[in-house]
Amino acid sequence: GQQLNQSPQSMFIQEGEDVSMNCTSSSIFNTWLWYKQDPGEGPVLLIALYKAGELTSNGRLTAQFGITRKDSFLNISASIPSDVGIYFCAGQLRGAQKLVFGQGTRLTINP
Amino acid sequence: DGGITQSPKYLFRKEGQNVTLSCEQNLNHDAMYWYRQDPGQGLRLIYYSQIVNDFQKGDIAEGYSVSREKKESFPLTVTSAQKNPTAFYLCASSTRGRTYDNEQFFGPGTRLTVL
Repeated sequence: GQQLNQSPQSMFIQEGEDVSMNCTSSSIFNTWLWYKQDPGEGPVLLIALYKAGELTSNGRLTAQFGITRKDSFLNISASIPSDVGIYFCAGQLRGAQKLVFGQGTRLTINP
Repeated sequence: DGGITQSPKYLFRKEGQNVTLSCEQNLNHDAMYWYRQDPGQGLRLIYYSQIVNDFQKGDIAEGYSVSREKKESFPLTVTSAQKNPTAFYLCASSTRGRTYDNEQFFGPGTRLTVL
């Protein structure tokens, strides 16, 4: 099936650093979603994007819907220990009902 | 509290046995979904249902079956035909409104181990 290319696969950073991750596809998406998953738990929705170029914030998190509709970015500012986890992007292809998920970015923070 | 519940959290079964995973939601969502997650991979869609008494195969439906007799419930059966059933299974639900029907909300997951 359709896949999203999410990068980086993993990140090892110091507490307080900013984080950036992205998802790209060769196809056009109508919706982009960003989720965070803690170990052994279900993903939690962080940010939803519905318009090309849209920039949305949720606390220290900011996400953007790429202008080409083929990519999206998530930034975390001033990382803290509770930001540790796996971040997933998900998108809805134009004309489709289902979501397509990226493979995740595993974030590890050194105190 | 509104939410999605999955039970049990951990499930062990012998090879060759069918097993049913429970998923219940009280969010009044029309659509429900089952995903499978393997280590280091994203979520892969098994089955989804947009309305009661109707469901569609996802990308990896072979070896699985579902039913949707009630709006609140969407149980998944992992049959003995599923070659690699050991995985983390996630249930999700969403509305069917025009704008926000792609915001899927997930349950806590069930980790199935087949011995």
